[in-house]
Order: sequence, then C-alpha cells, then structure tokens
Amino acid sequence: AQTVTQSQPEMSVQEAETVTLSCTYDTSESDYYLFWYKQPPSRQMILVIRQEAYKQQNATENRFSVNFQKAAKSFSLKISDSQLGDAAMYFCAYRSAFMKTSYDKVIFGPGTSLSVIP
Amino acid sequence: DVKVTQSSRYLVKRTGEKVFLECVQDMDHENMFWYRQDPGLGLRLIYFSYDVKMKEKGDIPEGYSVSREKKERFSLILESASTNQTSMYLCASSAYPGGWAVTDTQYFGPGTRLTVL
Repeated sequence: AQTVTQSQPEMSVQEAETVTLSCTYDTSESDYYLFWYKQPPSRQMILVIRQEAYKQQNATENRFSVNFQKAAKSFSLKISDSQLGDAAMYFCAYRSAFMKTSYDKVIFGPGTSLSVIP
Repeated sequence: DVKVTQSSRYLVKRTGEKVFLECVQDMDHENMFWYRQDPGLGLRLIYFSYDVKMKEKGDIPEGYSVSREKKERFSLILESASTNQTSMYLCASSAYPGGWAVTDTQYFGPGTRLTVL
C-alpha cells in the first residue's frame, strides 16, 4: 500500500525568505501523480501544484516549485519570497495514474503547519 | 470556479444523536468524497460516491453512512454520534472524464468542525 510521509509537523519562515517543505512517499507503481494542497486557517483547501511522475521536469506555479526525485521517492515544495498569506497547513498527496478500483483514491500525508513571521 | 459548500462550519451535538452533514457542489461533478481530518493523521477517506445512488466505503467507514440522491448533493450521516467522531469533516468533488483516464483534481469544501459532547 502507498504511504505519504511529511516529517516536519511545523515550520516557520521569515517573510520574503524561501522555505522548503519535505515529503516522501512509498509506492511500487511507476506512474502516479503527486500534489501539494494548501489549507489556510478557517479556509478551504486548495491545490497548489501537481506533478506527473512520468514528467522529468519539475512543476512550477509562480512562487511555488517542487523538487521531484523519483528514485528517492521525494517530493519537496519550495516557496520563494514567502508572504503572510502563505501561512497554512500544507498536505502532500499521492494518487495512482491508473484506476484499479471505481474511485481514484488520494493518499494524504499528515501535513506541515507553516508559519510566516513578519 | 468550482464551488463546494457544506451546510455548517461548526456543529455541536450530543452523544447518541443522529447527525447529518450536507455537501453541495455546483460543477456537475460525478465524484464526491467525505474525508475526516485529524491532527497528525492528515485526511482519511470515509466514503466515496461516483454517481447518484452509488457509494463505496473508504478507509474508515465504521459509524458512518452516506446518501446521494441527487448528483450535486452528498450527505454524511452519523447514525449515533460518539465522542470519537469529534473531528473536522471535509467534502470534496471531482470530475470523471470516463474510461481509464485519471480523474481531475479534487475540490474541497470549507469543512465542518463537529464536536460531540
């Protein structure tokens, strides 16, 4: 069974600085999708960035980028020029590229709470 | 923009009460999900529905049931609430393009924080 691990329960970063959130996963599959979701305090969870395992190029979305190391099964999120609005719980998630059952199960990590210091 | 709404942001119930959590999405998505979010455990899937009146158990279905009478609405039911069901409940929806294609991104509601006393 696949698992997702986020070893940093809490992190903090100074405003305008760069921070990297770690995520590792375990799978025997070769094709899959990886996601970072952001859940601001008292607000809806939203997708930040997604990576397709068959693509070697790391995904980027504005100030957010990932470092995808397939062999190491590592998927870290880098936030550049951190802003106060980046303060949130961040979840790393995994989904198989093939539907083996009738639903596309997404496996979430335990989350990392990011604080941004003014 | 996809909109997923949940009937309550905060709910306080007594042990043994029957509790209904409602979720509505406005994007005609086929798939709808109920998750439970607890500190240190991330999100765990309770139930999933891929069509009207269709449902499947997730990882932690015990103590819960669901209902999907209309495509846009997915209800989570706690038949007899217990204190260990105190948690944040998140609803999500996603589109299904058909066949073996990977489904689209899941879109989440704001969550319902349920406290069972």
